[in-house]
Amino acid sequence: DAEITQSPRHKITETGRQVTLACHQTWNHNNMFWYRQDLGHGLRLIHYSYGVHDTNKGEVSDGYSVSRSNTEDLPLTLESAASSQTSVYFCASSESQNQPQHFGDGTRLSIL
Amino acid sequence: EDQVTQSPEALRLQEGESSSLNCSYTVSGLRGLFWYRQDPGKGPEFLFTLYSAGEEKEKERLKATLTKKESFLHITAPKPEDSATYLCAVQAGNTGKLIFGQGTTLQVKP
Repeated sequence: DAEITQSPRHKITETGRQVTLACHQTWNHNNMFWYRQDLGHGLRLIHYSYGVHDTNKGEVSDGYSVSRSNTEDLPLTLESAASSQTSVYFCASSESQNQPQHFGDGTRLSIL
Repeated sequence: EDQVTQSPEALRLQEGESSSLNCSYTVSGLRGLFWYRQDPGKGPEFLFTLYSAGEEKEKERLKATLTKKESFLHITAPKPEDSATYLCAVQAGNTGKLIFGQGTTLQVKP
């Protein structure tokens, strides 16, 4: 069955370090998204991509970057981790702009 | 500014006690409204998409409805396994971006 997987599921790191979260989908979807989920804020969009070599900023993109070198993967990089970036991160993909997004099970990231 | 508000924040029901969750929205050019279910430690699981006012979708004990200003998720005779957080999201414009509400956490007691 097609799926979307995120790794690692849990990570602890220190402030100032570079961190990369992986997202891999086997649906062959063109659209991929990264969200963070925090108490009191719900899910907020960080970055998204409509296809290979395409990336776009979401509402909370500062301090994050993505790159899309193939259809299956959209890694999320925190250039210099800050404590405010402690959160649960979700990756999602969709077949097209008006189709539902399907989510991975998230990465819980703690920055000390 | 596009906005989605869900109420109540939390809801406790007895098994078999039917109720409704509300999702009110203000967006310019609604393209779709999505309902998701999220279990602890898991990602949101897609339930329904509604595209136009008057539309209804059903799945087992769940029924979603849509008006021009809000959507309801009706839960009929809930069971403990329906306990979860239910998220509502709207899509405005043709970007594919979703704006999420903060969710309603439902607990169904046996």
